Amino acid sequence: DADVTQTPRNRITKTGKRIMLECSQTKGHDRMYWYRQDPGLGLRLIYYSFDVKDINKGEISDGYSVSRQAQAKFSLSLESAIPNQTALYFCATSESDRSKEQYFGPGTRLTVT
Amino acid sequence: AQKITQTQPGMFVQEKEAVTLDCTYDTSDPSYGLFWYKQPSSGEMIFLIYQGSYDQQNATEGRYSLNFQKARKSANLVISASQLGDSAMYFCAMSPTWGGNTPLVFGKGTRLSVIA
Repeated sequence: DADVTQTPRNRITKTGKRIMLECSQTKGHDRMYWYRQDPGLGLRLIYYSFDVKDINKGEISDGYSVSRQAQAKFSLSLESAIPNQTALYFCATSESDRSKEQYFGPGTRLTVT
Repeated sequence: AQKITQTQPGMFVQEKEAVTLDCTYDTSDPSYGLFWYKQPSSGEMIFLIYQGSYDQQNATEGRYSLNFQKARKSANLVISASQLGDSAMYFCAMSPTWGGNTPLVFGKGTRLSVIA
């Protein structure tokens, strides 16, 4: 089984709808991240969490909210989806101490019509 | 603020040849980490290689090596003996700490196409 899972993998929704993207990990990592990928722009940070009680905004947090329900779960919500939130969304995890890698989930492809 | 620049939107390489993907970075922090990730057409992000700012030797992982030139602030990825399966998007990224335990800043990526 994958260490970092994301659900759903694909989603089409309409403008104005509320949608939640979920991320779960079995790696036992404290730190979790949400990134967004748009064509030609690379990945950009939306939110990150260093532990259950620590939530921080990233570069592009407007229009998004997050919830860290447990060490293993980090959800991203779009309260009122808009078309320019159409993108590929990645969840990632890392250890708290020095580690050479962030581990990425498979991504959620979201389309807002 | 940290910044990653990848100036090659797309590159072609002949199978079995070596290829260098360019990455320059900007930071005022003395401690940082540099990463390369591969994204095939299936979409997942695959970690390739890491270089810490205090590492004395260039990182190598199989056919991948990172040409780290600190004074020039460059961290180019070298892929030796290219294979058809190397065709993908490649992202350079950096962290403000030695390691991947903080948010990463990504470049815009380079699309590599390997030709038979």
